Amino acid sequence: DVKVTQSSRYLVKRTGEKVFLECVQDMDHENMFWYRQDPGLGLRLIYFSYDVKMKEKGDIPEGYSVSREKKERFSLILESASTNQTSMYLCASSCLLAGGYNEQFFGPGTRLTVL
Amino acid sequence: GQQLNQSPQSMFIQEGEDVSMNCTSSSIFNTWLWYKQDPGEGPVLLIALYKAGELTSNGRLTAQFGITRKDSFLNISASIPSDVGIYFCAGQQATQGGSEKLVFGKGMKLTVNP
Repeated sequence: DVKVTQSSRYLVKRTGEKVFLECVQDMDHENMFWYRQDPGLGLRLIYFSYDVKMKEKGDIPEGYSVSREKKERFSLILESASTNQTSMYLCASSCLLAGGYNEQFFGPGTRLTVL
Repeated sequence: GQQLNQSPQSMFIQEGEDVSMNCTSSSIFNTWLWYKQDPGEGPVLLIALYKAGELTSNGRLTAQFGITRKDSFLNISASIPSDVGIYFCAGQQATQGGSEKLVFGKGMKLTVNP
């Protein structure tokens, strides 16, 4: 089974702190994604990566950066956390399957609270 | 960023009832996907649809890829308590870099009363 793990299930940080969210997948997937999930807004794509050291901005990249130094690991960085970044953060990985679509496998999520 | 129009936003039903939900978009998608998120977990893929007009079943779930490629629906028959969760539709589209990304609906929260 594909497994996507995230470093923390719950995290509490203070405004202005630098925050690292780590994601690791064990299936040698090329693509990795970071989303945030907010009530009534669904999942919104922050950044994604289709290869080591490659990254693309998603729909809401402002205030975030990412790092992909190894294929299995994709990190989301909040350079200076703000209260409006309190949210559930979901990591996903995928590879191209027969039929031409990418099934994205999600981690359990990290619920981040910024005080 | 683009999002899909998913409706309804929530449903409260009795065990044994059927559920229908749908997604629409102003854009064409190559693939439509339906995910379910259990409380406290990440979303899990339920059904993937590849071709316009395609109707696919997976147990009590039935989904269709609209003929215009701009919509999809999901039906759940004879609901049971473990159907509780949030259901998301997603459309797949190519990015400028050549990779694929998903656009998600806002989700439909389902509550099933035993």
